[in-house]
Amino acid sequence: EIVLTQSPTTMTASPGEKVTITCRASSSVTYMHWYQQKPGASPKPWIYEASKLASGVPDRFSGSGSGTSYSLTINNMEAEDAATYYCQQWNYPSITFGSGTKLEIK
Amino acid sequence: EVKLVESGGGLVQPGRSLKLSCAASGFSFNDYWMDWVRQAPGKGLEWIGEINQNSRTINYNPSLKDKFSISRDNARNTLYLQMSKVGSEDTAIYYCVRMGYGGYSEYWGQGVMVTVSS
Repeated sequence: EIVLTQSPTTMTASPGEKVTITCRASSSVTYMHWYQQKPGASPKPWIYEASKLASGVPDRFSGSGSGTSYSLTINNMEAEDAATYYCQQWNYPSITFGSGTKLEIK
Repeated sequence: EVKLVESGGGLVQPGRSLKLSCAASGFSFNDYWMDWVRQAPGKGLEWIGEINQNSRTINYNPSLKDKFSISRDNARNTLYLQMSKVGSEDTAIYYCVRMGYGGYSEYWGQGVMVTVSS
């Protein structure tokens, strides 16, 4: 099973700040995806195949990475971006999620 | 509009069984892999398993394999999750997920809460 390690676990950012969340895999993954979850809501697809934005995701978000190292970046943090972000890998026949990064606004 | 509506949750006693359902609409159900994911209170997401379009391939999280059984009824556009011998560790919100290419969890239901308690 591939283990995903997200960092940081929690972080606080000011409006306008650049934010980077990383996700490291214990071995190389085939595909990496990201999800945003707010309290009381289902996770929302956010970034797929490492760098493609899901429908409706603001272009201040970006994703990058390959192999075992991936990241989600927010340019110009906004209040609405406060949420928990999860990375998720697919390496058939298994899927695993990272433990999540809780992002708060200052 | 894609809709996934889970049902069948609630309070269940330890050691009992429970079957969750997920009613799908707004898309051709029999064209997609479907997954179950759960989330314990205040915790992260945990993949339970998946089933392919014709039910011939079912993959499970190895650490949960003996606990769950996934099935589907394409005629009823419904996905199922059979839970057996539940324990307190199975208390969670259970999500039904339509999968896209490369393991992408494209659409999520609203989730159904299962609470295991005597």
